[in-house]
Amino acid sequence: GAVVSQHPSWVICKSGTSVKIECRSLDFQATTMFWYRQFPKQSLMLMATSNEGSKATYEQGVEKDKFLINHASLTLSTLTVTSAHPEDSSFYICSARRDSSNTGELFFGEGSRLTVL
Amino acid sequence: AQTVTQSQPEMSVQEAETVTLSCTYDTSESDYYLFWYKQPPSRQMILVIRQEAYKQQNATENRFSVNFQKAAKSFSLKISDSQLGDAAMYFCAYRRYFGNEKLTFGTGTRLTIIP
Repeated sequence: GAVVSQHPSWVICKSGTSVKIECRSLDFQATTMFWYRQFPKQSLMLMATSNEGSKATYEQGVEKDKFLINHASLTLSTLTVTSAHPEDSSFYICSARRDSSNTGELFFGEGSRLTVL
Repeated sequence: AQTVTQSQPEMSVQEAETVTLSCTYDTSESDYYLFWYKQPPSRQMILVIRQEAYKQQNATENRFSVNFQKAAKSFSLKISDSQLGDAAMYFCAYRRYFGNEKLTFGTGTRLTIIP
């Protein structure tokens, strides 16, 4: 099956610092990746759609300058939380669509738990 | 905009019994995908089953099957012979067939398996 890996799986940082989360498709190419945020005991909320070689498309209400997304290759997308604050603490999950697939399925990373002190 | 509704925040079932999780959705599209994803305590999202809207036949994957009612916009998941490993959050999700491929998730149902 297709594997998506996220790194780091958990990170603790001080308020005001920036944190980068990586999402890699290990065995397939993914032109499009998605970044979700999940609060405790809640559903996944889409933050942005990441497209290789172009600017990400952000959902309404998501600050582009705070959540920087870069999709520099067909296997890597990164999410950088800039000037993190405690309210940014959350579980961040990426997903990817395999370019060669027509099943509609998205494959998910293991998630990254961010705690901002 | 598409919406997905799961009206059961929590469900429980005796081990080896059958349980059905409900999901309804709203869309103006005629072609789309529907999914059930499982999120165990590890938080890794795992695909349970997929249904294409153009297919009339209900999808089945081993102990998991769906009841897809397109006119009613209903997509329930039936788990037969429930096992302890089935305990998890279950999310119903919708995706357009063409264009934007993002998944829209329901609020989830927490399933507890009683030994």
